[in-house]
Formats: sequence, C-alpha cells, structure tokens
Amino acid sequence: KQEVTQIPAALSVPEGENLVLNCSFTDSAIYNLQWFRQDPGKGLTSLLLIQSSQREQTSGRLNASLDKSSGRSTLYIAASQPGDSATYLCAVAPHNNAGNMLTFGGGTRLMVKP
Amino acid sequence: EAGVTQSPTHLIKTRGQQATLRCSPISGHTSVYWYQQALGLGLQFLLWYDEGEERNRGNFPPRFSGRQFPNYSSELNVNALELEDSALYLCASAGTNEKLFFGSGTQLSVL
Repeated sequence: KQEVTQIPAALSVPEGENLVLNCSFTDSAIYNLQWFRQDPGKGLTSLLLIQSSQREQTSGRLNASLDKSSGRSTLYIAASQPGDSATYLCAVAPHNNAGNMLTFGGGTRLMVKP
Repeated sequence: EAGVTQSPTHLIKTRGQQATLRCSPISGHTSVYWYQQALGLGLQFLLWYDEGEERNRGNFPPRFSGRQFPNYSSELNVNALELEDSALYLCASAGTNEKLFFGSGTQLSVL
C-alpha cells in the first residue's frame, strides 16, 4: 500500500527566503506525482505535475523534482512571498494510472512572514 | 471558462440522515473524482466516475455512493450519516493532460 509522507509538517519563514518542501513515497511504481496548494477551507490548486519519466518541472518561482528510484520529490519555492502562505500537498498516482486515484501526503503548512 | 463547481458550500445534518452533494466538472472533462478531507485523516480517495460509470472506489463503506449524469455532473450520496462523516468533500475533474482541477468543496457537518 502506497504511503506518502511530507516533511516538515509546518514551516515558518521570513519573506524572501528560498525554501524546500519534501515528499517521500514508499512504492516507486508511480505514474505521476503532483504538487497542490490548498488555502484554508478551500479546494486544491494544481501547481506542478511530473510524469514518472521526468526529473523535474518548473513554473515561475516553483520547481519540483522527482527521484522515483529513491521515492522522493522536492518542491523548491524561490524568493517566498506572504501570498505563498498555504498548505502544500504532494500526491502520487499509481503506476497503472487507474484514474487519478491519488494518494496524498499530510501536507506542509507554510507561513511566510512579511 | 468555469471551474469545477460544488454545491452546497455547507451542509448540516444529523446522525442517521442522508446527504446529497453535487458537482459539475469543467466543460469537456468526462471524469469526476470525489475525495474526503477529514480532520486528522488527510485527503482520501472516495470515488471515480468516468463516462457515466463508476470506475473505482476507495476504502469506504457502501453507504457512500454516487452517480454521474449524461452531462458528466455528479452526485455523492452518504446514507445513514455518522458523526465521523463530518469532513470537507472535494470533487475534481481531469482533462487529457491528467491534471486534476478541484472544486472548493462541500463542508459537511453531522451533529
């Protein structure tokens, strides 16, 4: 059974810092890995999707990497801003891509202080 | 273009009642997914509908059920509500690039 872990559970940084969020998964037979952002009481916003054959994806100040063999992904946020404050979730899709039956990590709650 | 829409935003029920949650996917998306986000349990996959058929379900009892209509909108029904069913229920739809787009959710409170 796939398990996804995110470390740290919470993170507080001053504005402008570069930061790294970590995600690990136990079964490396994945189809893709996705990073989402969730604001309090809201749904999820897709940030980046990395296919199992890819090593990284970039969007603006965000960069996500994937090391499938070691079961790890990192989300790098450059020059953090208060508007980046949210919970960040990573999720993996099973290798047979039985739909988007994602397994989610518990999330990292990020606070960026002005 | 409208995103995934869910209704109602909030729903309050008592134990033993039934709840019906609704979801409209993004235009052109044929797959709808339901997830439950309960306090302390994180996000868990509930149900997947595609082209009107239930394709898979997560580890939830049969009192969680649903359907998908010809216009690809979907309903989630929860029968015989229990206190632990209190959660944020999120609906998502997927396009051809496999990215999931989520609605804002229905907050279900069971008293």
